[in-house]
Amino acid sequence: AQSVTQPDIHITVSEGASLELRCNYSYGATPYLFWYVQSPGQGLQLLLKYFSGDTLVQGIKGFEAEFKRSQSSFNLRKPSVHWSDAAEYFCAVGGIQGAQKLVFGQGTRLTINP
Amino acid sequence: GAGVSQSPSNKVTEKGKDVELRCDPISGHTALYWYRQSLGQGLEFLIYFQGNSAPDKSGLPSDRFSAERTGGSVSTLTIQRTQQEDSAVYLCASSSRTEANYGYTFGSGTRLTVV
Repeated sequence: AQSVTQPDIHITVSEGASLELRCNYSYGATPYLFWYVQSPGQGLQLLLKYFSGDTLVQGIKGFEAEFKRSQSSFNLRKPSVHWSDAAEYFCAVGGIQGAQKLVFGQGTRLTINP
Repeated sequence: GAGVSQSPSNKVTEKGKDVELRCDPISGHTALYWYRQSLGQGLEFLIYFQGNSAPDKSGLPSDRFSAERTGGSVSTLTIQRTQQEDSAVYLCASSSRTEANYGYTFGSGTRLTVV
């Protein structure tokens, strides 16, 4: 069955430090991959997506992610985090059986230390 | 509208009562989804509508849950005889089938509390 694993439930980094959030997926073909961010009390906002082509994709708010087929990974990165980046981050995989239903990971909660 | 609108934003109901949650998708988006987010959990798929096709109901947790989408636009998720374990945030999303636009737009959700 298709699945998404986000190994880190909670990560704390200092403001200005670099960030990497891990995402591993299980899917039989090249998937559609997404990262979403959820601020407290808010819905989910799309940060970036990968369909095909260049494996390094740029998103909003200075985030990027790299698709590595050999590792079944799609890790999210940011060179320098800001206090406003504190939120819950969800990785998702789609394209399952021709449908657009997305399967989400359990999320990683990011805390920023001043 | 400009975004996905959900109402109400908060709902407190007594155990055993029925509730209806509403979702207005982005105009022109043919696909509509319902997900459930329980406290500290990821997103659990409930149901998916795509155009005039039969909905994918594979995620509905029990027969107390149902959803409809009228006129290819507004959707209502109904939970009958609510239980305390139904307490969660119910999120609606819509999307276009065009690959360039593929990717959900979520509403802000309805927080349901069953007491």
